Amino acid sequence: RKEVEQDPGPFNVPEGATVAFNCTYSNSASQSFFWYRQDCRKEPKLLMSVYSSGNEDGRFTAQLNRASQYISLLIRDSKLSDSATYLCVAYQAGTALIFGKGTTLSVSS
Amino acid sequence: DTGVSQNPRHKITKRGQNVTFRCDPISEHNRLYWYRQTLGQGPEFLTYFQNEAQLEKSRLLSDRFSAERPKGSFSTLEIQRTEQGDSAMYLCASSLVGQGQEKLFFGSGTQLSVL
Repeated sequence: RKEVEQDPGPFNVPEGATVAFNCTYSNSASQSFFWYRQDCRKEPKLLMSVYSSGNEDGRFTAQLNRASQYISLLIRDSKLSDSATYLCVAYQAGTALIFGKGTTLSVSS
Repeated sequence: DTGVSQNPRHKITKRGQNVTFRCDPISEHNRLYWYRQTLGQGPEFLTYFQNEAQLEKSRLLSDRFSAERPKGSFSTLEIQRTEQGDSAMYLCASSLVGQGQEKLFFGSGTQLSVL
């Protein structure tokens, strides 16, 4: 079983839509979680950290459910510029960050 | 440019040749990672260093792969006797451990094509 699993999509949504991505992780000892964004042929870039209490950054909201080992990312009012691959990441101290395969989002006008 | 720098950006080689990639991390960062990424996949962990010490190697890192970070600054990743299956984007990332939550910053990668 892969350590971090994501629905690869693609998710095709119109501008202004709300879209949610889910991610599950298998290592219960994972301590920190992140969402990275990767544009086509570019390097991954940190989008936001994920905290147990949930956190919001503008149109983006991240949630963590430790009991279910589940992470989510919600994007409201989607923009064309949100089109990218979103990578879910889990981290355990003393090891490397483990990435999911990514979920592809395509926002159309 | 104070970000993570990787050279070369692209490398085309023939099967069986050796290749070496270089990564210059963000200067104050003490941890350096190598990842590999193929189309449609997320980055796969290869190895990482804390300062000059190599702390972990993935099972993906066969004995044809070797990485060094001799002075705790830049790092090199060498692949010997390249195979077509080695074709991928090799990503380097660095982070500063010990100051809050660890966050990785990636370089632009080296795209390797083995013919």
